[in-house]
Order: sequence, then structure tokens, then C-alpha cells
Amino acid sequence: EAQVTQNPRYLITVTGKKLTVTCSQNMNHEYMSWYRQDPGLGLRQIYYSMNVEVTDKGDVPEGYKVSRKEKRNFPLILESPSPNQTSLYFCASSSAGRTEAFFGQGTRLTVV
Amino acid sequence: AQTVTQSQPEMSVQEAETVTLSCTYDTSESDYYLFWYKQPPSRQMILVIRQEAYKQQNATENRFSVNFQKAAKSFSLKISDSQLGDAAMYFCAYGAGSYQLTFGKGTKLSVIP
Repeated sequence: EAQVTQNPRYLITVTGKKLTVTCSQNMNHEYMSWYRQDPGLGLRQIYYSMNVEVTDKGDVPEGYKVSRKEKRNFPLILESPSPNQTSLYFCASSSAGRTEAFFGQGTRLTVV
Repeated sequence: AQTVTQSQPEMSVQEAETVTLSCTYDTSESDYYLFWYKQPPSRQMILVIRQEAYKQQNATENRFSVNFQKAAKSFSLKISDSQLGDAAMYFCAYGAGSYQLTFGKGTKLSVIP
């Protein structure tokens, strides 16, 4: 089954404790992205990757890091989480020439 | 920068009736795509319908159809014969490349039995 898999689905952490949210897709898509969703703001792109070792900032990159060492994986790293990073996070992938994105199930992150 | 505006934060519809969700966007591109995504309480983002800007014909997927007005930069979603399972948050999105979608803030649709 074609899918984008994120883990964990839920995470509660404390300020300053480094964490990683994993994302994996099995569709051989070139493009992968991370979005955050906040009430009243819709989804905003954090980072994206056009291929292995090629990443770039989206609209709200501050406080986040990403890496793309393999085509299928695109982890999101919060090196020093803060409460304003409490949000719902989505990983998405798409193929070259096809703009529609396939989304993971979402990760609900709470930073206390 | 591209922007997407959904002016209706919440809407409601009677079961079996028709409802239209509004979306406007701003872009200087001539070639782009527009989407409606549905987000039920499960939080999953589900693609409802897709429209290529170069196509004049409005997209249709079963009970879902769009009214795409390119000159007016308007992209509304019509849901016919509304069902309880249509209750969700609906997001309008714009994309001009494969790596970024710009989303509106969403419209929460309630379906009244």
C-alpha cells in the first residue's frame, strides 16, 4: 500500500530536550516536505527536499532541522524544542511533475 | 508570494443538501494547480479534488465539483447530497511546483442530520 508513515503519532516533551519525528514514504517520490498546522493558520511549510541531500527552507523554518540521506526518509529534528513549537505536524511527499501531496497521519507534539 | 483565502471559517449544511465552500487565491503564475483537501477528526489529510489551471473544464469527483474562475482567481468547492461523513475541515491549497503547497486557513463544515 502506498503511504507516508510518521512516527510517533503523539509526543509530549519538555523544553530543550532534543527530539526527532521520523517520516518515510514508499512511493519513490522525489519531493518531501514538513508542514505544521495551527488553529486558524492552516498548514505552513517548514522545510522541503527535492531529492537526496537537497533541502531548503519553507515559510516557518526557525527552530527546525531536516536531513535527506535516503530518498524514502525525511526526519524532522527539533534540537531545543520550545512551547511555541507545540503543534500538529505533517510530512508529505509528491512526485516530480505532480503537485498533489500525499500526507502522513500527523504527529501531535506538545512541548511543556 | 502566493496567498490562499478561505473567507468562511465555519459552515453548516443539512444532510442531503448542497453546500459551496469559497476559496480565492493570489498568484502571478500562469501554470499552477489548485486542490481541496478534507481533514476529518482523524486528522488525516485526504485529497478531494484537483484542478489544473490550464484546463477550462471544472473538475468533478462524484458528489464533489469545483467552480474554477481563473480570471477572478476563485476556486469554490460544491458538495452535493451532503452526507454525515462529509463533516470535516476543508482546506483549499495552491501549488505551482512539486515541492510546496500554500494552504488557506480552512473551513469547518458541519452536517446536520
